[in-house]
Amino acid sequence: AQTVTQSQPEMSVQEAETVTLSCTYDTSESDYYLFWYKQPPSRQMILVIRQEAYKQQNATENRFSVNFQKAAKSFSLKISDSQLGDAAMYFCAYRSPQGGSEKLVFGKGTKLTVNP
Amino acid sequence: EAQVTQNPRYLITVTGKKLTVTCSQNMNHEYMSWYRQDPGLGLRQIYYSMNVEVTDKGDVPEGYKVSRKEKRNFPLILESPSPNQTSLYFCASSSFRNTEAFFGQGTRLTVV
Repeated sequence: AQTVTQSQPEMSVQEAETVTLSCTYDTSESDYYLFWYKQPPSRQMILVIRQEAYKQQNATENRFSVNFQKAAKSFSLKISDSQLGDAAMYFCAYRSPQGGSEKLVFGKGTKLTVNP
Repeated sequence: EAQVTQNPRYLITVTGKKLTVTCSQNMNHEYMSWYRQDPGLGLRQIYYSMNVEVTDKGDVPEGYKVSRKEKRNFPLILESPSPNQTSLYFCASSSFRNTEAFFGQGTRLTVV
């Protein structure tokens, strides 16, 4: 079974600075999808960024980018120019290829605090 | 607007009193799932459905039931709730054409 590990229960960053959240996963599959979700105090689950394992290029979405290291099974999220609105819980998630399990496997989350 | 709608948002109930949390999506998605979120544990899948009348257990199915009679709806049923089912619940849907899962707003359930 796949597992996802987020080793940092809490992180903090100064506004306008850069922070990196760590995520590692374990799988025997060669094709899969990885995600970072943001959960602000409103509790809504918001997709931040998505990475297909077959793509070597790291995904980017504005100030958010990932460092995907397939061999190391590592999928870290970098937030540049941090803003107060980035404060939230961040969850790393794994999904098997389409046609396989419908399940998203989540890490336990990292609580990010942004200091003004 | 594409969305997943859960109701109610908040619910306090007593042990043993049957309850249903509704979930509806308007995106014609094939896949729907229920997750529970507990502090320090992340989100864990309870049940999922790959299409109408097709459901299967996730990681933590004990004490829950689901049904998928229509493509858009996927209710979660707790026939005899217990305090250990106090949690934050999320419904999610996705299409087999796209890997992104869309989540509902969450339901905060307290069983006393």
